[in-house]
Amino acid sequence: DAGVIQSPRHEVTEMGQEVTLRCKPISGHDYLFWYRQTMMRGLELLIYFNNNVPIDDSGMPEDRFSAKMPNASFSTLKIQPSEPRDSAVYFCASRVAAGKRGGYTFGSGTRLTVV
Amino acid sequence: GENVEQHPSTLSVQEGDSAVIKCTYSDSASNYFPWYKQELGKRPQLIIDIRSNVGEKKDQRIAVTLNKTAKHFSLHITETQPEDSAVYFCAAIYTGGGNKLTFGTGTQLKVEL
Repeated sequence: DAGVIQSPRHEVTEMGQEVTLRCKPISGHDYLFWYRQTMMRGLELLIYFNNNVPIDDSGMPEDRFSAKMPNASFSTLKIQPSEPRDSAVYFCASRVAAGKRGGYTFGSGTRLTVV
Repeated sequence: GENVEQHPSTLSVQEGDSAVIKCTYSDSASNYFPWYKQELGKRPQLIIDIRSNVGEKKDQRIAVTLNKTAKHFSLHITETQPEDSAVYFCAAIYTGGGNKLTFGTGTQLKVEL
C-alpha cells in the first residue's frame, strides 16, 4: 500500500490566488481528515469525511476554505483567495471505520507558502 | 468536546536516560489514545497506542500508561538515542463517536550526546 498520498509537496503562491491541495486516502479507509499544522496552533482539524460525506467542518477557518470528496479515493482542499496567514503544512489523514483497530495514517503533507 | 493537554513542551535528556511525556484529557468517554512521532519536515507517525481497557502497553523501548480515573496517560522512552529526537504528540478519541482525534500541543524531545 502506498499510504496516504498528497500533492503537491510544496506550493508557493501569491496572495489572492486560488490554491488546491489534493489527497488520496488508503484504499478501504472510511474516514478522511484534513489537518493544518503551524508552530503557533499545532495540529488543527479542519474537516473530516466519512464515506465521502462531510461530517464536521467546524474547524474550517472561514469561507475561503472549502473541501470536497467526490469519491472514496480522492479529496481536495481549496483556498480561494489565499492569504499569507494561510501559510502552513496541510496534512491529509485516513483511518478505518469506527470500532476497528488502527489510528490515523498521515500523508506527507503539503507545505503551503503564500507570499 | 475533548481537550488534551500535554507537558512538557520541550524536553532535553542525555543519551541513555529515560524520557517521560504526560497528557491529560477531559472527556471520560475517550477510549483510544495514540502517540505520534514527527521528525523534522516529516509526517506524524503512529508509534504506540493504548485502549481504555488496559493500563499499560510496552513495545521495546517505549511504553504507555493510562490512568482512566485521573484521565491522564504518559509516554515513557527508555535508553534514549539521538534518533528519538523529534516532536511527540499524544491524542485521544472516543472511537464510538464522531472519530475526531484531538491532539495535544506536542513535546519537542532532544536527546543529547
